[in-house]
Amino acid sequence: SYELTQPLSVSVALGQTARITCGGNNIGSKNVHWYQQKPGQAPVLVIYRDSNRPSGIPERFSGSNSGNTATLTISRAQAGDEADYYCQVWDSSIYVFGTGTKVTVL
Amino acid sequence: EVQLVESGGGLVQPGRSLRLSCAASGFTFDDYAMHWVRQAPGKGLEWVSGISWNSGSIGYADSVKGRFTISRDNAKNSLYLQMNSLRAEDTALYYCAKDMASIAAADPFDYWGQGTLVTVSS
Repeated sequence: SYELTQPLSVSVALGQTARITCGGNNIGSKNVHWYQQKPGQAPVLVIYRDSNRPSGIPERFSGSNSGNTATLTISRAQAGDEADYYCQVWDSSIYVFGTGTKVTVL
Repeated sequence: EVQLVESGGGLVQPGRSLRLSCAASGFTFDDYAMHWVRQAPGKGLEWVSGISWNSGSIGYADSVKGRFTISRDNAKNSLYLQMNSLRAEDTALYYCAKDMASIAAADPFDYWGQGTLVTVSS
């Protein structure tokens, strides 16, 4: 079955840029979606189809996807960006989520 | 405003059954595919099952195939998950999620409920 690998944690200084990777075999050929989940809350879609932002999501969130790695980039990180982030793809008629990355803003 | 409200969770013994419901409002329910996603305590997200707008296409994770059944009633704006032969590893918060498209294939989930907790234990 298809696997998506994310770093367990990423730390970023306030106002700096965080990059969260999502690794998968030839993931560049798939549409990747990203979700943010804060403690005790439901996930929120922040990027869909590699690089599209839903309405209401700040421009500070961006995405890219190529080769074997998709990346979620959070620019000018804020304290409110602290959360778990999950990537997601569709493969062989099932949805697969990444292992999740905890982002800490220092 | 889109709202998804799950219900039906609780404590159940291994081997027993439970039926989850999700009441949807704020959008045209029968235009969109719907999904169930679960999250075990302290763990990541796991897609459980999805159903297209007209129930014509249904999918399951391998971990629940043959035990869980997803269904929907468009007249009642409701999504269901019938869970049979429950196991301890099914213990999780179960989320109902709206697909961005009508067919449950490749598109993201743009709205989520707050979840209903299922605990499988003797």
